[in-house]
Amino acid sequence: GESVGLHLPTLSVQEGDNSIINCAYSNSASDYFIWYKQESGKGPQFIIDIRSNMDKRQGQRVTVLLNKTVKHLSLQIAATQPGDSAVYFCAENRLDTGRRALTFGSGTRLQVQP
Amino acid sequence: DVKVTQSSRYLVKRTGEKVFLECVQDMDHENMFWYRQDPGLGLRLIYFSYDVKMKEKGDIPEGYSVSREKKERFSLILESASTNQTSMYLCASGGGSSGATDTQYFGPGTRLTVL
Repeated sequence: GESVGLHLPTLSVQEGDNSIINCAYSNSASDYFIWYKQESGKGPQFIIDIRSNMDKRQGQRVTVLLNKTVKHLSLQIAATQPGDSAVYFCAENRLDTGRRALTFGSGTRLQVQP
Repeated sequence: DVKVTQSSRYLVKRTGEKVFLECVQDMDHENMFWYRQDPGLGLRLIYFSYDVKMKEKGDIPEGYSVSREKKERFSLILESASTNQTSMYLCASGGGSSGATDTQYFGPGTRLTVL
C-alpha cells in the first residue's frame, strides 16, 4: 500500500558538513508534511513543516524541500553538529484515510562524527 | 512553548493489571493522540480524540481504551495488561477545529514494561 518511507536507515556525516535526509511518499492526496527529530529516550520534537503549495521552507539551519512531481521530501541540515545526532522522521497527512491524523515514516538515524 | 506532559516516564506492571497512562497539554488543542513506538515498526496510532468525550480508533486499538473528560487531558487505559503491550507510549496534541491536519506536539513518552 501507499506509505511514507525513507531511503536510508542510517546516515553518518562529519561535524560541520551538511546533512540531507530523504523521504519518499506515494500518496498524491497528502498536502501537509512534517519533519520530527527524536533523541534517544525522548519524544519526537517538531522541526519544520511544509504544505503542498510550497516547494521549499527554511528554518534555523534546516531546510525542507518538497518535490511533488517525484513525490519526494528532504530535510537539509546545515553545518551539522553533534547535537543533531538523532532519528529523524517524516510524516504526512494521509487525506485518503479520512481522518485528521499523520502517518509516520520509519525514521533515519543521523550519526554525526566529530 | 507547547507543553505536553505524561504522568510517568517509566512504568513496570504485571500481566493482567489495569494500567492508566495520563497525558496533559496546555495549549488548548482540540486534538489529542496516543501512539506506541516499537523498534522496526515506527509510530503506530492507537486512539485519537477530536473533542471532549469524543474518541476514534486508530490503527491498533485492540487491548486499549481511552478517556477524554476534559479538553486538556487524554488517558490511555490498558484494561488487562499483556506482555505484548510492553512498548514506548507517546501522547501528542495539536490543532484546532478547522478540519485540517495540524502539527502534532509530542510528550516525552512513557516506557511501559509488562512482566
